[in-house]
Amino acid sequence: EAQVTQNPRYLITVTGKKLTVTCSQNMNHEYMSWYRQDPGLGLRQIYYSMNVEVTDKGDVPEGYKVSRKEKRNFPLILESPSPNQTSLYFCASWGPGGRHEQYFGPGTRLTVT
Amino acid sequence: LAKTTQPISMDSYEGQEVNITCSHNNIATNDYITWYQQFPSQGPRFIIQGYKTKVTNEVASLFIPADRKSSTLSLPRVSLSDTAVYYCLVGDKPGGGGNKLTFGTGTQLKVEL
Repeated sequence: EAQVTQNPRYLITVTGKKLTVTCSQNMNHEYMSWYRQDPGLGLRQIYYSMNVEVTDKGDVPEGYKVSRKEKRNFPLILESPSPNQTSLYFCASWGPGGRHEQYFGPGTRLTVT
Repeated sequence: LAKTTQPISMDSYEGQEVNITCSHNNIATNDYITWYQQFPSQGPRFIIQGYKTKVTNEVASLFIPADRKSSTLSLPRVSLSDTAVYYCLVGDKPGGGGNKLTFGTGTQLKVEL
């Protein structure tokens, strides 16, 4: 089954404690993205990767890092989380062919206190 | 980046046709228009995408006028299960992939009996 998985699904942490949210896809997609979703603001793209070792900033990259060492994985790293990064995060992957749709993961709800 | 504007909310009744319009005045020549559906606590799911004129699939139709400055998602005969948030997305890859993306803030559709 084609899917994007994220872990953890829920996370409560404290300000400044480094964390990583993992994302993995099984569709051999070249493109992967991270989004955050906040009330009234819709989905905003954080980072984007076009392939292994190729990443680019989205609309709201401040405070986040990403890496793409393998095609299937695209972890999101918060080196020093702050309360304004409390949000719902989605990972997505996309590849040419078929319906050209983005496949989204189930989401990670992060709370930073 | 093309900015998109959608109504914040819409109400309908089961069995009716629902049309949600998205405005994207600054759409670029090579941009595609994609619509996604999102249920609470889930990632968005692809509905339909197009470039110009009309596109129809098993669940919806997408109407795009010649100037491409707006698009209308049409849901025929909605049911309670169509209650969700609908996002209009304009980007340079079909289906919404890519890093030059603009998600709208979404339209909350509520379907009642």
